[in-house]
Amino acid sequence: SSELTQDPAVSVALGQTVRITCQGDSLRSYYASWYQQKPGQAPVLVIYGKNNRPSGIPDRFSGSSSGNTASLTITGAQAEDEADYYCNSRDSSGNHLGVFGGGTKLTVL
Amino acid sequence: QVQLQQWGAGLLKPSETLSLTCAVYGESFSGYYWSWIRQPPGKGLEWIGEINHSGSTNYNPSLKSRVTMSVDTSKNQFSLKLSSVTAADTAIYYCARGNLVVVPAAIEFYWYFDLWGRGTLVTVSS
Repeated sequence: SSELTQDPAVSVALGQTVRITCQGDSLRSYYASWYQQKPGQAPVLVIYGKNNRPSGIPDRFSGSSSGNTASLTITGAQAEDEADYYCNSRDSSGNHLGVFGGGTKLTVL
Repeated sequence: QVQLQQWGAGLLKPSETLSLTCAVYGESFSGYYWSWIRQPPGKGLEWIGEINHSGSTNYNPSLKSRVTMSVDTSKNQFSLKLSSVTAADTAIYYCARGNLVVVPAAIEFYWYFDLWGRGTLVTVSS
């Protein structure tokens, strides 16, 4: 299967911890990557692989994976973290296809 | 500094062919999957397809009949053509660099887009 499922919206109080999840069969083979997208901007990679952050991404962002579910955790959410978050993986059936989750709108209260 | 710069026509009529090009500056062209991703207004991301430096391609099955990707390694550029466009193809189109990392010892696979173009809004309207 090449589908990834995300909750459409999640909210978190300022300074609290929030987990955004992504489910799909391909995640049993490929680690998810996570992207943050703010209005009018291109997506930005925030987590890839087992739990890797590109240079410049704050360490409050972390990733984890178990079975067919990947999670992006923001520990101590900040106002600037309010954005859309997308997970991405690659079809594990051998068709070499990329796939994105539908996205999660994160609101920081 | 590595960057992707993309360009192409922003307004098309139905049935025309969308054509976009993305140039890679400051980095080797080989070893990556050069990808196109689109985002309809107010909607999520959709992977269109990818091409590597040797010209090998993979396309989204939902678009495969209309998509052609090509690469010009002499210019470090790759291109997208989408034929017979309709209003449903109206979207921001992004080029991106795809990375596939395999860790054999751990049997781990990483797949991610670490570099993105700024996006081109393509509107299809009569």
